[in-house]
Amino acid sequence: DIQMTQSPSSLSASLGERVTITCRASQSINNYLNWYQQRPGKPPKFLIYAASSLQEGVPSRFIGGGSGTDFNLTIDNLQPEDLATYYCQQTHNSPTTFGHGTKVE
Amino acid sequence: QVLLQESGPGLVKPSETLSLTCSVSGSSMRRYYWSWIRQPAGMGLEWIGRIDDSGTTNYNPSLKSRISMSVDPSKKQFSLHVRSVAAADTAVYYCARAISFSYSYYALDVWGQGTTITVSS
Repeated sequence: DIQMTQSPSSLSASLGERVTITCRASQSINNYLNWYQQRPGKPPKFLIYAASSLQEGVPSRFIGGGSGTDFNLTIDNLQPEDLATYYCQQTHNSPTTFGHGTKVE
Repeated sequence: QVLLQESGPGLVKPSETLSLTCSVSGSSMRRYYWSWIRQPAGMGLEWIGRIDDSGTTNYNPSLKSRISMSVDPSKKQFSLHVRSVAAADTAVYYCARAISFSYSYYALDVWGQGTTITVSS
């Protein structure tokens, strides 16, 4: 299985800041990489697919990038509703696998 | 609005079979894959498997020997069965819809609220 490693596991940020989360795959996944946001007690919410394509309705302050093995999710101008845990997911190989999450607090 | 709703027993005894059902509203079941994902408390997400409206399945090899999935498009429901459960199967279980984009990209775009399953005697 492809292992997905996220860093950091948690970070503290102030409102209005820019934050960046990193996701690394154990082998090349081209850009078959999705990002999800999970608020406490809620299911994950789909944000980005193909590493950088924003799902409809997701604010443009969420920016995804990367290809191959290294990816990042940047949140510009952090808002209160962005305080959550973020997961990356690779869909290059089956089984699809997720990172362990990055908590933004 | 597409809604998914999981239903299940809440508590299952070790060695028994866990059965969960996901009810779909606001979406056709055709042209989508329907997935199950689980999340132990305070931990990350584990993909269990998926099924399409024709019953074609794809399971996570780590669970393949103990799971089966079924679909009933007429009822707009799909189900997960996990045999011989143990404490390690305690988790929140989510059902989700997998949407396909061009060039084989896909993602889990709609999720149920999740149902908490505890394995305990």
